Amino acid sequence: GDSVTQMEGPVTLSEEAFLTINCTYTATGYPSLFWYVQYPGEGLQLLLKATKADDKGSNKGFEATYRKETTSFHLEKGSVQVSDSAVYFCALSHPGNQFYFGTGTSLTVIP
Amino acid sequence: DAGITQSPRHKVTETGTPVTLRCHQTENHRYMYWYRQDPGHGLRLIHYSYGVKDTDKGEVSDGYSVSRSKTEDFLLTLESATSSQTSVYFCAISESPAQETQYFGPGTRLLVL
Repeated sequence: GDSVTQMEGPVTLSEEAFLTINCTYTATGYPSLFWYVQYPGEGLQLLLKATKADDKGSNKGFEATYRKETTSFHLEKGSVQVSDSAVYFCALSHPGNQFYFGTGTSLTVIP
Repeated sequence: DAGITQSPRHKVTETGTPVTLRCHQTENHRYMYWYRQDPGHGLRLIHYSYGVKDTDKGEVSDGYSVSRSKTEDFLLTLESATSSQTSVYFCAISESPAQETQYFGPGTRLLVL
């Protein structure tokens, strides 16, 4: 069945460091891929998405490219800020089907 | 922000008691979902609804029931709460099924003693 695997956390970075959070997926066909972010005490918010192979989703300095050949959707940001501290979830969905979420990666950015 | 509220936001209850959580939306979205969030598991789908009175089971539906009598309200009931149902519960909505952004409520933190 469909599934998402993302890198274990927690991840701790210094401000202005480069961020990569790895996400790989298992799915038949052509799912859509998403990154959601959860700030402390809040629900999940969509960060970015990509609906077909080679699409790049981007938002707030974060980027992720849909790589069908490697079944990956890694999240990157060139220079993280303290305000980026949160839990990040990778997810996939198929038409007419449910979302599948990864287990989440906690990011802490220290000044 | 999408207009989604959940009530209560926090609840403590005892094993064996029934519990109902409410999700209310003001977006008129057709699809509504209940998830639970647990450490090491991410979010797992409990039940979802694709219209008034139309619901279906998700991955972890045992011990839960749902009802949707109005477009804006989706209720999750724990028929007889157990300690394994201690979790954070999130409601989500979307305009169409899958491949469409889901918008999440703020969550309900439930502790079953």
